[in-house]
Amino acid sequence: DAGVTQSPTHLIKTRGQQVTLRCSPKSGHDTVSWYQQALGQGPQFIFQYYEEEERQRGNFPDRFSGHQFPNYSSELNVNALLLGDSALYLCASSSQGRGSLETQYFGPGTRLLVL
Amino acid sequence: DQQVKQNSPSLSVQEGRISILNCDYTNSMFDYFLWYKKYPAEGPTFLISISSIKDKNEDGRFTVFLNKSAKHLSLHIVPSQPGDSAVYFCAASEYNYGQNFVFGPGTRLSVLP
Repeated sequence: DAGVTQSPTHLIKTRGQQVTLRCSPKSGHDTVSWYQQALGQGPQFIFQYYEEEERQRGNFPDRFSGHQFPNYSSELNVNALLLGDSALYLCASSSQGRGSLETQYFGPGTRLLVL
Repeated sequence: DQQVKQNSPSLSVQEGRISILNCDYTNSMFDYFLWYKKYPAEGPTFLISISSIKDKNEDGRFTVFLNKSAKHLSLHIVPSQPGDSAVYFCAASEYNYGQNFVFGPGTRLSVLP
């Protein structure tokens, strides 16, 4: 049973460029959340996708956008990259079980460096 | 404003002894808490959770204690093993607010042989 997978593992971009990160959820999961983890900090919630719609969003600018596909996989897009966007981007999947609060399973992350 | 705090950036413990990792939160609406463990180059791995209707939850060597009045929770690892050396994150959520977890900054635990 494959867990959460993310691609690419590492990425180097320059300021002003755009980047797309990809995530495939754990088998049986239908909800994908994205987090940004800056160096020395805990993961910070960006947004969550369920049924191909953004259902929750953290305190991130509109430069951060996403998409969820019918197979539940997801993309995170960041436009007009800034140096401060350099971080580990984590994808987490979960199941929207009614009446239950499932834990999230995290992928290994994509490390983005903006020069 | 940091809603979830882990005031000890690092902790060193001798193998076989107890490790106690602490976490404080400010948002009284949080009612579900989790601990995650993270090894280098890997994503965080779920360890143990507790809801606000309990004050203790145990899973093998790991026990989480919740003190709602103090807005404080702690993770106890007994006995500590070298493989427990990792960064531990405390996370909190409002049950009725989906699965948007707020994470603390983490505590790096080193278990010395």
